[in-house]
Amino acid sequence: AQSVTQLDSHVSVSEGTPVLLRCNYSSSYSPSLFWYVQHPNKGLQLLLKYTSAATLVKGINGFEAEFKKSETSFHLTKPSAHMSDAAEYFCVVSAQAPGNEKLTFGTGTRLTIIP
Amino acid sequence: NAGVTQTPKFRVLKTGQSMTLLCAQDMNHEYMYWYRQDPGMGLRLIHYSVGEGTTAKGEVPDGYNVSRLKKQNFLLGLESAAPSQTSVYFCASSYSWRDRGLFNEQFFGPGTRLTVL
Repeated sequence: AQSVTQLDSHVSVSEGTPVLLRCNYSSSYSPSLFWYVQHPNKGLQLLLKYTSAATLVKGINGFEAEFKKSETSFHLTKPSAHMSDAAEYFCVVSAQAPGNEKLTFGTGTRLTIIP
Repeated sequence: NAGVTQTPKFRVLKTGQSMTLLCAQDMNHEYMYWYRQDPGMGLRLIHYSVGEGTTAKGEVPDGYNVSRLKKQNFLLGLESAAPSQTSVYFCASSYSWRDRGLFNEQFFGPGTRLTVL
C-alpha cells in the first residue's frame, strides 16, 4: 500500500522569499515520487520526479525537491518565489511494483504569493 | 503533438441524463487513466486501461463505465448522472511499466468540468 500526506493545505509567501511545500509518503516498495503543478483552470504539469538516481532533484521554473528516505519525505523548495508560482501543487507517489503502476495523489497545497 | 486532449471542456447535465467524455492522446502511450478532482481531495482514480481492449477499476469506479476500443482513445461514460458526480474530470496517459519502468510519469489533459443538477 502507498499513501501521500501533504502537510499544509495552504501556504502563503511574499514574492522573492523562499518556498517550502512539505510532503511525506509511505510505500511498501521503493517509490517513484513526483511533484505536479496545477494553475487555475488548467491541467496538471510535471514539475519534477525522483526515480532513485539522485536524492536532490531539480525541476522546471527553479523548483527542486530532496528525497529523504529516513524521514520518508520529499519536500518541494524554491529559493525565491515569483507571482507566476501561484498554483496548486500535488505530491504523488508511484509504487515500483510491477503491475501496480497507479499513482497516489496528495490532497494538494495551494500556494499564494503576496506581492 | 497535441498531447492529451479532452472533449468537451464543460457540460451541464440534469440528474438521470447520460453522457460520454472523450480522451485522446497522440503519444502512442500504452496506459490511460480517468480521474476526478474534488476540492480538498486531490485526484482520485476512476478507471484505467493498460492497453487497447482492456480496462480496470480504480479507487472510485461506481457510476462510471469506460471503453478503450482504440489505443489512442479512452471513453468515460455516465449512464445515469447524479449530483455527486459534479466534478472536474481529468484524463491522463503514460508509457507502460515494461517500456519505461521508473520513468513512468503521467501526462494530463486540460480537464472537463461537469455539473449535474
